[in-house]
Amino acid sequence: QPVLTQSSSASASLGSSVKLTCTLSSGHSTYIIAWHQQQPGKAPRYLMKLEGSGSYNRGSGVPDRFSGSSSGADRYLTISNLQSEDEADYYCETQRVFGGGTKLTVL
Amino acid sequence: EVQLVESGGGLVQPGRSLRLSCAASGFTFDDYAMHWVRQAPGKGLEWVSGISWNSGSIGYADSVKGRFTISRDNAKNSLYLQMNSLRVEDMALYYCAKASAAADNTGWYFDLWGRGTLVTVSS
Repeated sequence: QPVLTQSSSASASLGSSVKLTCTLSSGHSTYIIAWHQQQPGKAPRYLMKLEGSGSYNRGSGVPDRFSGSSSGADRYLTISNLQSEDEADYYCETQRVFGGGTKLTVL
Repeated sequence: EVQLVESGGGLVQPGRSLRLSCAASGFTFDDYAMHWVRQAPGKGLEWVSGISWNSGSIGYADSVKGRFTISRDNAKNSLYLQMNSLRVEDMALYYCAKASAAADNTGWYFDLWGRGTLVTVSS
């Protein structure tokens, strides 16, 4: 079973960009992951699938401000032109295993 | 519309039972594995149980094994979770989640979530 490691918190200013990181444990660096967004008081929302090659596919209705990239065991979620509604918890996940989540604050 | 709608949550005493349901629509239900994921107040997401497209493969988290039973009815596009011997630590929002694949093969992930149903366990 892979382990997914995320920073507990991040912050960035309105209109700027932020890059969140999810790191796969040793031996699992090629795994496909998904990113999910959970706004306060709401259910999780699937954002995208992200492969080890860096190829990603956004879910239906997800703005193109959200993009993904990869480097080795690291999987990244970049949010550009930050909006207030982007303030949320972001989880990476693969095959039923979740990272601990990153709480993003938009300043 | 592609959606998952959970129901069946509520307040229950420790040791009692509850049955959750999830109604799926907008996609071919029997093409995909389905799962339950829970979130305790203020905590992260925790996988609870999953079932393959044809119910041939079923799995449980160690924390619920022997107490919870997952099932599905493809004719009704529905997923269920029978929860017995409930404990205070089972109190959480329970989400129905669709897998991106039919079974537990490599490279799958969750790609659709329901809104959740709240289970409160208290005397």
